[in-house]
Amino acid sequence: AIRMTQSPSSLSASTGDRVTITCRASQDISTYLAWYQQKPGKAPKLLIYAASTLQSGVPSRFSGSGSGTDFDLTISCLQSEDFATYYCQQYYNYPRTFGQGTKVEI
Amino acid sequence: QVLLVESGGGVVQPGGSLRLSCAASGFTFSSYGMHWIRQAPGRGLEWVAFIASNGIKNDYADSVKGRFTISRDNARRTLYLQVKSLRVEDTAVYYCAKDQGLSEYEQFDYWGQGALVTVSS
Repeated sequence: AIRMTQSPSSLSASTGDRVTITCRASQDISTYLAWYQQKPGKAPKLLIYAASTLQSGVPSRFSGSGSGTDFDLTISCLQSEDFATYYCQQYYNYPRTFGQGTKVEI
Repeated sequence: QVLLVESGGGVVQPGGSLRLSCAASGFTFSSYGMHWIRQAPGRGLEWVAFIASNGIKNDYADSVKGRFTISRDNARRTLYLQVKSLRVEDTAVYYCAKDQGLSEYEQFDYWGQGALVTVSS
């Protein structure tokens, strides 16, 4: 199985900050990578797919980059509603695998 | 709009069985691959199973292979997960999710609200 490793596991930030979360795959997954946001008690929400394509309706302050094994999710200007846990996920092959999550806290 | 609604969760003893359902609406259910994904309390997301749009192809996480069975009824627009030989470590919220597109390489664009399965004696 492809192992997805996120860093950091958690981070403290303030509204208005620029935040970057990193995801590394244990093998080349091209750009078959998605990012999800999850708030407590809620289902995950798709933010970005194909490593850098913004899902419809997602604010433009979210962006993704990378290919191969190294990927980033950047929030350019953190808003209060962005405090949540973020997961990367590969869909290059089965089993589909997720990173362990990055909790963005105040 | 797309809606996925899970049901069938509950408390079950170790070794027990349960069937989870996911009722779909707002899209052409028979055209899309579907998945089950779970999340243990306070933990991350774990993909569990996949079934292709026609129900013929499927795949499972090693942790559930041989104990869980994914199926679908396209006429009823419903996805199922039969879970057997349950273990304490299967305790989790179980989400159904749909593929965004029709290819083999798809992200999950819609998720249900989740069904809690608690395995405890």
